[in-house]
Amino acid sequence: GENVEQHPSTLSVQEGDSAVIKCTYSDSASNYFPWYKQELGKGPQLIIDIRSNVGEKKDQRIAVTLNKTAKHFSLHITETQPEDSAVYFCAASISGGGADGLTFGKGTHLIIQP
Amino acid sequence: ETGVTQTPRHLVMGMTNKKSLKCEQHLGHNAMYWYKQSAKKPLELMFVYSLEERVENNSVPSRFSPECPNSSHLFLHLHTLQPEDSALYLCASSHDRGNEKLFFGSGTQLSVL
Repeated sequence: GENVEQHPSTLSVQEGDSAVIKCTYSDSASNYFPWYKQELGKGPQLIIDIRSNVGEKKDQRIAVTLNKTAKHFSLHITETQPEDSAVYFCAASISGGGADGLTFGKGTHLIIQP
Repeated sequence: ETGVTQTPRHLVMGMTNKKSLKCEQHLGHNAMYWYKQSAKKPLELMFVYSLEERVENNSVPSRFSPECPNSSHLFLHLHTLQPEDSALYLCASSHDRGNEKLFFGSGTQLSVL
């Protein structure tokens, strides 16, 4: 089965700096890679996703890059703000396999220092 | 708000108690899920319902019993739990089972004493 490794487990950055979270996956058949953000006291919320037919996707201050050859993908947050503090989860699945095919990473606790 | 509501937000129960977690989604979705979230572990899928029928049970102990009376409501009935069952239990929905985009509720933080 799929195995997703996520690093680092905790990341502390100064407000205004960039943050990068990295994930690797094991199943070369995986082609859908979402990122979820979980704020304190809330459930995870999808913030961006990418499919394997593209190498990069941006949405304002967040971007995701995908390297299918190396089987890794990353979340980039630029100009970090206090509201970016949360736990971020990556996941991988085979597109069309449904949400029950998602394999999640263990999460990264992002701390934005004022 | 994501359109998925879970109650209660917090629950403390003894190992001999019986309790139920409730989830309601207002999104018109056809698939609903129960996940277990423990510290430092990946989200663990417990149950999947599609159009009110259970389609997957990931070897979850029988002390957890799901119920889906209609496409908007999902319950998780708990009985004779163990302390290691203490965790955040998340309900989620998706448009249908083939759609990967999950909408999560805020979860029920369960403590088993």
